[in-house]
Amino acid sequence: DGGITQSPKYLFRKEGQNVTLSCEQNLNHDAMYWYRQDPGQGLRLIYYSQIVNDFQKGDIAEGYSVSREKKESFPLTVTSAQKNPTAFYLCASSIRETGNTEAFFGQGTRLTVV
Amino acid sequence: AQSVTQLGSHVSVSEGALVLLRCNYSSSVPPYLFWYVQYPNQGLQLLLKYTSAATLVKGINGFEAEFKKSETSFHLTKPSAHMSDAAEYFCAFNSGGFKTIFGAGTRLFVKA
Repeated sequence: DGGITQSPKYLFRKEGQNVTLSCEQNLNHDAMYWYRQDPGQGLRLIYYSQIVNDFQKGDIAEGYSVSREKKESFPLTVTSAQKNPTAFYLCASSIRETGNTEAFFGQGTRLTVV
Repeated sequence: AQSVTQLGSHVSVSEGALVLLRCNYSSSVPPYLFWYVQYPNQGLQLLLKYTSAATLVKGINGFEAEFKKSETSFHLTKPSAHMSDAAEYFCAFNSGGFKTIFGAGTRLFVKA
């Protein structure tokens, strides 16, 4: 089945640690996105990528980094510079630029700082 | 500025009753509008989308939404609520680029 796979489902981070969230898609989509979800705030865009080896900052990129070395993969690193990383992280993809095409979402990774 | 507003963070209905979730948008250009559903600890799933072909859009699970330009609205409805409809619903807006703006979400509770 085609889809988006995020791993791990739950992740715990100690203060000062960097952690990497995995996102893989087999939909052959060009565009991929990372969103952060906090209760009552909807989804906020962290980074997006239109093609391999290219990515752009979203609204809340500070403290995060990404790479897009392969079309299928778009990992997100939450660095120690992110002061409040506890949240639900969602990866998504779409065929091309969003516009009238919908995004397909992974199941999410819940990150907790301990 | 472009924005999406969902009226009511929580909506409660009885099983079998009408579901109405409200969404208003603000945009100076023709919008693309979406409704997504999210079940606990899962990703978002598309319910339906408006792309200017028809103002009344039918989606999955018996949901539909009507685009009203004069009211800048895209409210989501379902004639008869089912227990399985309990979830969080997000209205989303896109003006043609990469950025999709999501509303804050409305959590739907269905009472037996």
